[in-house]
Amino acid sequence: AQRVTQPEKLLSVFKGAPVELKCNYSYSGSPELFWYVQYSRQRLQLLLRHISRESIKGFTADLNKGETSFHLKKPFAQEEDSAMYYCAPHPLSGAGSYQLTFGKGTKLSVIP
Amino acid sequence: GAGVSQSPSNKVTEKGKDVELRCDPISGHTALYWYRQSLGQGLEFLIYFQGNSAPDKSGLPSDRFSAERTGGSVSTLTIQRTQQEDSALYLCASSGTSQEKLFFGSGTQLSVL
Repeated sequence: AQRVTQPEKLLSVFKGAPVELKCNYSYSGSPELFWYVQYSRQRLQLLLRHISRESIKGFTADLNKGETSFHLKKPFAQEEDSAMYYCAPHPLSGAGSYQLTFGKGTKLSVIP
Repeated sequence: GAGVSQSPSNKVTEKGKDVELRCDPISGHTALYWYRQSLGQGLEFLIYFQGNSAPDKSGLPSDRFSAERTGGSVSTLTIQRTQQEDSALYLCASSGTSQEKLFFGSGTQLSVL
């Protein structure tokens, strides 16, 4: 069964401090991994996907197949990073392959 | 349209009443999803439509919930005999050729009194 775990409901860090939002997944096959973000009073939107190997707003995420993790990282947190972050593994093939399953989310609060 | 549109933005109803929530996906998007977002529960998958294929209804929590998508475009989520536990933010999302990237609507906040 598809399962994604974001162990932290709430993460508070000081401005300028490094931040890591954890995500672990359990999937058969090789999923593609996404991070979505929801800023206050805005729509849920894609932040980044691992296949693109990109850095968006200073965030990066490395897929670790051995640990089945896709943690989101940023070296220096900014106040505008405060938001709700959702990890979303997506299987590339197989039954239910288009059912994008989201983690329960982590609320990041950056303290000025 | 410019994005995924959902209506109404807010709906207050009495327990036992039926409600209909509407979603207009981005024009040309073949995939459409419904999710439910409850406080502290994250995003719960409800149903998925892809083109003319049979929808994936595996996430619907009970037979009081149903959804249809007419003409491969607009979708309606219907909740019959609403219960207080149905209160949540109902989100619709669509995706185009890159199936995986979802574009979300602003949602319908449903409150069942």
